[in-house]
Amino acid sequence: NAGVTQTPKFRVLKTGQSMTLLCAQDMNHEYMYWYRQDPGMGLRLIHYSVGEGTTAKGEVPDGYNVSRLKKQNFLLGLESAAPSQTSVYFCASSYSQVGAQAFFGQGTRLTVV
Amino acid sequence: LAKTTQPISMDSYEGQEVNITCSHNNIATNDYITWYQQFPSQGPRFIIQGYKTKVTNEVASLFIPADRKSSTLSLPRVSLSDTAVYYCLVVIMNTGFQKLVFGTGTRLLVSP
Repeated sequence: NAGVTQTPKFRVLKTGQSMTLLCAQDMNHEYMYWYRQDPGMGLRLIHYSVGEGTTAKGEVPDGYNVSRLKKQNFLLGLESAAPSQTSVYFCASSYSQVGAQAFFGQGTRLTVV
Repeated sequence: LAKTTQPISMDSYEGQEVNITCSHNNIATNDYITWYQQFPSQGPRFIIQGYKTKVTNEVASLFIPADRKSSTLSLPRVSLSDTAVYYCLVVIMNTGFQKLVFGTGTRLLVSP
């Protein structure tokens, strides 16, 4: 049981390049989330999804897009990377029941130069 | 969402009991208190959740007084591997999507 898997684990981008981060979960969770974590700060919600085919904006959605074409996958896209998007990105998933705990992936460390 | 306040950092030694207190003065009737643990270079991990009084599991205990304006995470006999950041969250227990709001957490350092 792999839980939540993020791909890739590390990436360096040049300003203006695009990339997609993949999150896959094998727990049949309805909810999926993308967070970013910057040094000395807590996690901030970028986008989330409450089910296949749905997405919604979190606290810091600008510069990111997401898609959830399949229940088990949640993709985070950066169309034109900026140095301000240098961060560690975490994906998480959970059941939709009230109080369900969230399971997090190992993170993707992204550097934009 | 109720805002939480917790110490920025705490130090302890192996074998000691560690208590991390979280303040959530504006907690609402439908809110639960949830704690997550994050090790360096890893995603957060759920530790414990409670509504009132005391909750205990194999990892920790959570004490919540009657007014629910604060809560205390208790880690018994900590070891070096308990060095991590601990986040206190208030989670709304309504139907539908629940947003997890992470503050800066409490950085616990356990020394030999």
